[in-house]
Formats: sequence, structure tokens, C-alpha cells
Amino acid sequence: GNSVTQMEGPVTLSEEAFLTINCTYTATGYPSLFWYVQYPGEGLQLLLKATKADDKGSNKGFEATYRKETTSFHLEKGSVQVSDSAVYFCALSGKLASGSRLTFGEGTQLTVNP
Amino acid sequence: NAGVTQTPKFRVLKTGQSMTLLCAQDMNHEYMYWYRQDPGMGLRLIHYSVGEGTTAKGEVPDGYNVSRLKKQNFLLGLESAAPSQTSVYFCASRQDRGRRNTEAFFGQGTRLTVV
Repeated sequence: GNSVTQMEGPVTLSEEAFLTINCTYTATGYPSLFWYVQYPGEGLQLLLKATKADDKGSNKGFEATYRKETTSFHLEKGSVQVSDSAVYFCALSGKLASGSRLTFGEGTQLTVNP
Repeated sequence: NAGVTQTPKFRVLKTGQSMTLLCAQDMNHEYMYWYRQDPGMGLRLIHYSVGEGTTAKGEVPDGYNVSRLKKQNFLLGLESAAPSQTSVYFCASRQDRGRRNTEAFFGQGTRLTVV
């Protein structure tokens, strides 16, 4: 079955530091890949996505590239801000026959200190 | 535009009690999902629905039932609550466009404690 593995957290950085959160996946076929973000006390919201190999998703300074050869979708940001403190989830979308349901990684808690 | 609304937001149950969580979406989405979120385990799919009147089991369906009598509503029921069902529950919805890259929209969650 499908699975997503994220780097273990939590991650604590100083403001303006470089961020990488690793994500690898196992899936049949060609899934779509997503990063979702969860701010304290809120539901998840889409941060970015990529739908095919070598696609780069980007939003709010975050980027991730769909690497089929390494089955990875690592999240990066060049300079983090305190407001980026949140939990980040990597996810993939399964087959249409299974409701295109999302399979999530464990989540990575990011704390950015001023 | 309210998006996805979950009620209630918080609930404390005693072991053996029953309850229903309501999810309502106003985006005319075909697909709806119920997830539970537990520390260190990410989100796990309980049940899902691909349209009105249809439901299917996800990864962790035991102890839960669902119904989708109306397109905009997806109900999650606990018939006899157990402490292992203490969790944060999220509902999500998604448009069916024949592709699997559409965005899922999430509610704000229901924090359930079973004592």
C-alpha cells in the first residue's frame, strides 16, 4: 500500500535559517504529492503540490520538487520566519478508485525562534 | 464561504457513551473524509465517501460508523466510546474532477476525550 515517511522532528531553527524537511514515499503508479501545514489550533491547509515527476511546487517561499527516481518530495525554504512555526505534513494522493484519498506522513513540528 | 465546518469542537465522553460528529461542506464537493490525528502518527483515514449515499472503510474503521445521506454532510458515529478513541478528528472534502491532484479542504477539528 501507499506510505509516506517524514524526517523525525521536532525541528527548531533561528529566524532566517534554511529549512529542509525530508519526505519520501512508497506508492503504486504516479501519485500527486502535497505539503500541508497546520497552524496551532487549526485544521490543515494546502501549502503546495506537484502532480508529476520533476514538477516543482512553490508557495510563500517554500518549494518542493517531485523526484521520482528517489521517490522524494523534500520541503525547503531559504529563510524561515517566526510565523512559519507550525506542523508540516507530506502527503500523497491515491488512486481514483480509492477515492483519491490522501496518505499522510507523521508530521514535522517546526519552531522558529526570533 | 464557510468551507468545511465541524461540530462540536470539543467533547468529553464517558466510556461506553455514544456520539455523532457532524461535518458540513458548502463547496459541492463529491469526496468527503474522516481522519483522526494522534501524536507521532500523522493523520489516519477512518472512513470516506465518494458521493451521496456511498461510504467506504479507511485504515482504522473499527469502532466507527458513517453516513452520507446528503451530499453536503458526512456524519461520524461512535456507538460505544473507548479511551483509545481519544483523538482529534478532522473532516475533509475534495472536488472530483477525475484527477487526484485537487486540493482537500479541512475543518478545524473536533477534540474528543474519552474518560
